Amino acid sequence: AQRVTQPEKLLSVFKGAPVELKCNYSYSGSPELFWYVQYSRQRLQLLLRHISRESIKGFTADLNKGETSFHLKKPFAQEEDSAMYYCALDLDGSSNTGKLIFGQGTTLQVKP
Amino acid sequence: DAGVTQSPTHLIKTRGQQVTLRCSPKSGHDTVSWYQQALGQGPQFIFQYYEEEERQRGNFPDRFSGHQFPNYSSELNVNALLLGDSALYLCASSKTGGTEAFFGQGTRLTVV
Repeated sequence: AQRVTQPEKLLSVFKGAPVELKCNYSYSGSPELFWYVQYSRQRLQLLLRHISRESIKGFTADLNKGETSFHLKKPFAQEEDSAMYYCALDLDGSSNTGKLIFGQGTTLQVKP
Repeated sequence: DAGVTQSPTHLIKTRGQQVTLRCSPKSGHDTVSWYQQALGQGPQFIFQYYEEEERQRGNFPDRFSGHQFPNYSSELNVNALLLGDSALYLCASSKTGGTEAFFGQGTRLTVV
């Protein structure tokens, strides 16, 4: 069955510390994975997608097919990174058609 | 472009009643997906509409139905409301061949 697991509900770090938000997935085909972010009182928005291999706001995520993981990392956390982060898998196995399975989300709290 | 807009923002209904939620997609988008987000959970895919037809459906009962209009806007209908239907309902729009789904702010439904 297709599934996305984010094991941590809350991750609390100090400003300047490294951050790693964990995401594991279960999918029989070739997965298309994304990280979405929701800042306080804002709508859900795309942060990055694995296929682009991009770095957005200092965040990167590498797809590890052997470990079925897609962890989100940032070397130095900033207070403005505090938000809810969701890992998502496209049901179609294609580039974000809007049919997504989301994890439960991890709240990142960056303390000054 | 106002992006994806949803109405109403909040709604209170009684058990057994029926409700209709509305979504206008981002300009240029032709596909609308609906999600249910219970408190403390990630969004769950309900269904997707394209060319006025339901294209794919998540694990939701037939009480949940939808419609897409020629202008690509969409409605989500829920019949025989249960207390457990209380949630934030999100709409996302995307473009065929596009690479990103954009989310609305959601409609908060409370069933009492």
